This record gives sequence, structure tokens and C-alpha cells, in this order.
Amino acid sequence: GAGVSQSPRYKVAKRGQDVALRCDPISGHVSLFWYQQALGQGPEFLTYFQNEAQLDKSGLPSDRFFAERPEGSVSTLKIQRTQQEDSAVYLCASSLLIGDRGSHEQYFGPGTRLTVT
Amino acid sequence: AQSVSQHNHHVILSEAASLELGCNYSYGGTVNLFWYVQYPGQHLQLLLKYFSGDPLVKGIKGFEAEFIKSKFSFNLRKPSVQWSDTAEYFCAVNDDYKLSFGAGTTVTVRA
Repeated sequence: GAGVSQSPRYKVAKRGQDVALRCDPISGHVSLFWYQQALGQGPEFLTYFQNEAQLDKSGLPSDRFFAERPEGSVSTLKIQRTQQEDSAVYLCASSLLIGDRGSHEQYFGPGTRLTVT
Repeated sequence: AQSVSQHNHHVILSEAASLELGCNYSYGGTVNLFWYVQYPGQHLQLLLKYFSGDPLVKGIKGFEAEFIKSKFSFNLRKPSVQWSDTAEYFCAVNDDYKLSFGAGTTVTVRA
């Protein structure tokens, strides 16, 4: 596709439910990022993949959060036993390749707005 | 880790006015700097970026930004705004491979 796509665009979950958020990066992009954007804030880093390898998951807020990218393309962010504080927009971004200088542009998807009631 | 501060939370101005949004990051060394824009109902898009070279960077839609290393700043400017510039603007800096974002500035341009 032309850009990064994410689904669903909106998700309402009852507290305690599990959710799965999907990201389709731009074809050929090696690097994939997940960010969390709370209301009125900028995006905050959650995790980073290079191909299928999860190289950094330091931003995941708890062990209820889990991300995977098994074939180095599509990625899924899973949140188990959702809590109200998980309500946010979850953004996916992809890039051709990220070196240690972060010198490649990240392309963002439209995000998934998660509301936990 | 890098932190980014944006000085204005909400800016309201009239068409044809000049715009300047402040951005400061926390520490030096080699940095890559970005301004992203999010128009209502749309996803984050890159306005401009600085990697090296000329500290005055020109981006899309008439925006420019100036990197001042001594001040750890990367302020965004536009000489004459249009109603269509109404959006949220985010400054970001690379923290190794990931981006650290400011909290964003909402810009409202009155016709």
C-alpha cells in the first residue's frame, strides 16, 4: 500500500478484556515502531523491531503489553487485561532502516484509538 | 534519554500572521531533529527535518526551522499562515533510533 495502515481505527474495550492492534508497514520497510499517545501529549515510544527481531521493548508500560512481528512485516500489539489507563491512541511507524543515528524518516499510520471503559 | 519541550500549548492567530513555535531538547551531541504536523482527522506527517549541514531547514508548505546548537533549539517558523495551517505541531528528536516527542502545540488560524 501507499502508507502505513492500522486496524482497527477505533476500539472500545471493557476493563479486563484483551485487545490486539494491527499494523501494516510500508512494503520493504525494515524498521517498525509502536508509540502510545495519551490525550494532550506527544507520542511516546513503546517498542522497536528490525525485521522480525524485537530490539527494544523498554517503553512497554507493563507485562500486559506484548508486541510481535513474526515474519518481519505485519506487527501486532496486544494488551492483556486492559485497564482504563491504557486508553490512548496507539501509533505505528515504519522506516527503511534505522541506524544508530536515527537518520531515517519514520512514516506514521493513522493510529488506533483505544478506549477502555 | 532525550526530552523535548515545546513552549506553547495553544496558539491562535489570524491569517497572514507570522508563526513561530519554540522547541528545545535536553542534551547535545549529534542529533537529528524533526517537526511533524497532524491536521484534523489525519495522521502525523513530516514537515521538515535536520540531520546536518545548513542549520536553516526548509520544509513543505512554506515552513522552515532553524537549528541553534548552542541553545539546544529547533524553532519552527512560517512568515504568513493560512487557515489550512490549523493543526497540531510536534517537535521530535532522535534518541538513538527512536523519536522523543514534545507535547505538541495546537495552532488555530482564524480566517
